[in-house]
Amino acid sequence: QVQLRESGPGLVKPSETLSLTCTVSGGSVSSATSVWSWIRQPPGKGLEFIGYIYHIGSTNYSPSLRSRVTISVDTSKNQFSLKLSSVTAADTAVYYCAKGGDRADYWGQGTLVTVSS
Amino acid sequence: DIQMTQSPSSLSASVGDRVTITCRASQSISSYLNWYQQKPGRAPKLLIYVASSLQSGVPSRFSGSGSGTDFTLTISSLQPEDFATYYCQQSYSAPFTFGPGTKVDIK
Repeated sequence: QVQLRESGPGLVKPSETLSLTCTVSGGSVSSATSVWSWIRQPPGKGLEFIGYIYHIGSTNYSPSLRSRVTISVDTSKNQFSLKLSSVTAADTAVYYCAKGGDRADYWGQGTLVTVSS
Repeated sequence: DIQMTQSPSSLSASVGDRVTITCRASQSISSYLNWYQQKPGRAPKLLIYVASSLQSGVPSRFSGSGSGTDFTLTISSLQPEDFATYYCQQSYSAPFTFGPGTKVDIK
């Protein structure tokens, strides 16, 4: 059973970079055909796809966030990460990591990141 | 980006009711459509993928249908644990956009 857990600061200042890590257990981020995603949900709102990364490191980002997003994978730690630069209050959300690109079948519990000075 | 809409945005139903939620895509997505269930404070849970395939462990009272631009999620007999928000997601082309959600609450 794959398990994912998000970690990182819960509070980020405007214009700074949001950085989150997802630790995977019960599976390997480097397994063939594996894909790993980030999805977010502003408080009281719907789900927004951020992007995903293949086990080999190639990525696909939402066009609306592409200029600010970087997703990377660290096979030595069995983790993948999200960086979102130049954040504003509009980036306040629960951030989820998930297994799968086009179909997220395992999710982390989510972590709330608030952008505020 | 492919835009997804859902109707209704919310509905009230009783235990035992048959519930149908509709999802529409802004262009044809073949059968590349997922359904998720989300309860308050919890991560979404995958229910159905490629329009009609039931995810492992999901009760058979959940079913999905449709292709092209129009899809439905049906709960054949609503149970107390089914009160939640349901989202559709197209998996035809990235970004894999979600619908705005349908909240199912107790009548």
